[in-house]
Amino acid sequence: EPEVTQTPSHQVTQMGQEVILRCVPISNHLYFYWYRQILGQKVEFLVSFYNNEISEKSEIFDDQFSVERPDGSNFTLKIRSTKLEDSAMYFCASSPLAGTGELFFGEGSRLTVL
Amino acid sequence: AQKVTQAQTEISVVEKEDVTLDCVYETRDTTYYLFWYKQPPSGELVFLIRRNSFDEQNEISGRYSWNFQKSTSSFNFTITASQVVDSAVYFCALSGRVGNTGKLIFGQGTTLQVKP
Repeated sequence: EPEVTQTPSHQVTQMGQEVILRCVPISNHLYFYWYRQILGQKVEFLVSFYNNEISEKSEIFDDQFSVERPDGSNFTLKIRSTKLEDSAMYFCASSPLAGTGELFFGEGSRLTVL
Repeated sequence: AQKVTQAQTEISVVEKEDVTLDCVYETRDTTYYLFWYKQPPSGELVFLIRRNSFDEQNEISGRYSWNFQKSTSSFNFTITASQVVDSAVYFCALSGRVGNTGKLIFGQGTTLQVKP
């Protein structure tokens, strides 16, 4: 069964460093998402991406964040200068259609900022 | 604005008990989808069910059942004869109207502990 894959599963970084989290969505999906879950809290929407551009972003997704689909298969989330409060589990998701909510989540990338 | 409320932060039951997890939502959309996800200790999000706003039939899948009531904006989840493996955090989520970006709004989650 096709699945969304994420790398790395866990990354530890120093405050101020740049981090790139990678995702390979399901191949025929058109909509891509990043969500964040701070430890013990709810899952929060960060950004949605369609047709090579951001279709919606949350207040959390400030100028320190960016997304890219560099090669037609990968979907990346970059945090330019990490802060302690960026420590969280980051989930990538993809969907064949918008609006149906049929999201397929990856297993998450845990980011720890020291 | 869209909102999902899971008022129960933690629930603890003994194995074989039935347990119901509550979910109340707010939306102005007439078409929307509701979901339940399970997050076991390993951390991944496991999809359990999706229900669209036009289908109010209750659904049963094995020991799991869902009660969708539009009149009270609720989408409750019942586990019958709970097992230790059901211990996890359970999230209810809402997706807006067809044609939107498809993002999900999650509730705060309910931590279910099933004791042997």
